[in-house]
Amino acid sequence: SQQGEEDPQALSIQEGENATMNCSYKTSINNLQWYRQNSGRGLVHLILIRSNEREKHSGRLRVTLDTSKKSSSLLITASRAADTASYFCATGSTQGGSEKLVFGKGTKLTVNP
Amino acid sequence: DSGVTQTPKHLITATGQRVTLRCSPRSGDLSVYWYQQSLDQGLQFLIQYYNGEERAKGNILERFSAQQFPDLHSELNLSSLELGDSALYFCASSLLAGVKDTQYFGPGTRLTVL
Repeated sequence: SQQGEEDPQALSIQEGENATMNCSYKTSINNLQWYRQNSGRGLVHLILIRSNEREKHSGRLRVTLDTSKKSSSLLITASRAADTASYFCATGSTQGGSEKLVFGKGTKLTVNP
Repeated sequence: DSGVTQTPKHLITATGQRVTLRCSPRSGDLSVYWYQQSLDQGLQFLIQYYNGEERAKGNILERFSAQQFPDLHSELNLSSLELGDSALYFCASSLLAGVKDTQYFGPGTRLTVL
């Protein structure tokens, strides 16, 4: 079953605009990670934010985490056509005595040149 | 290139058959994870091995099994295949066992069951 739910399911923007994707989850987490997947290819890790962190930056990426609302957002600034991909949030938590990473269904981002 | 390799890239087989998917983790990584990605179910965690031992289990069917060998490569065996098993199967690896580690994904094996 999915833990994280991304919103929106699909997003289409023009090059140079900012893209914001949201992720909501249900149970307590150790951390939350964002991954990117180009069509039909493997996932690439973008950024990890721990449960005691509120914001993290990496290049043009900014991730926020609000544990009280059980939500996170990924902002991509000054988007480029090469950012076209699906973006997944993944929640890391301890379930049944073992640590697991559970992925949402993703947001499909299209950046038009 | 993540450093994780998976073979084969594509596999087409018939219902009822058995297949083996192979994964070589990044050099030095001790954990291997298997995921199934389908359009309706999204990316589902199947199973994790750490240094040869099963570490965590997800939504893995009884018809599926996996193992990690002493050289740390892993194999996922899928038997009595059904049409619904058609999916992309990803292997990922990480240095250690916990969710704090970044997982590095392979390019995937696309399985088509006819």
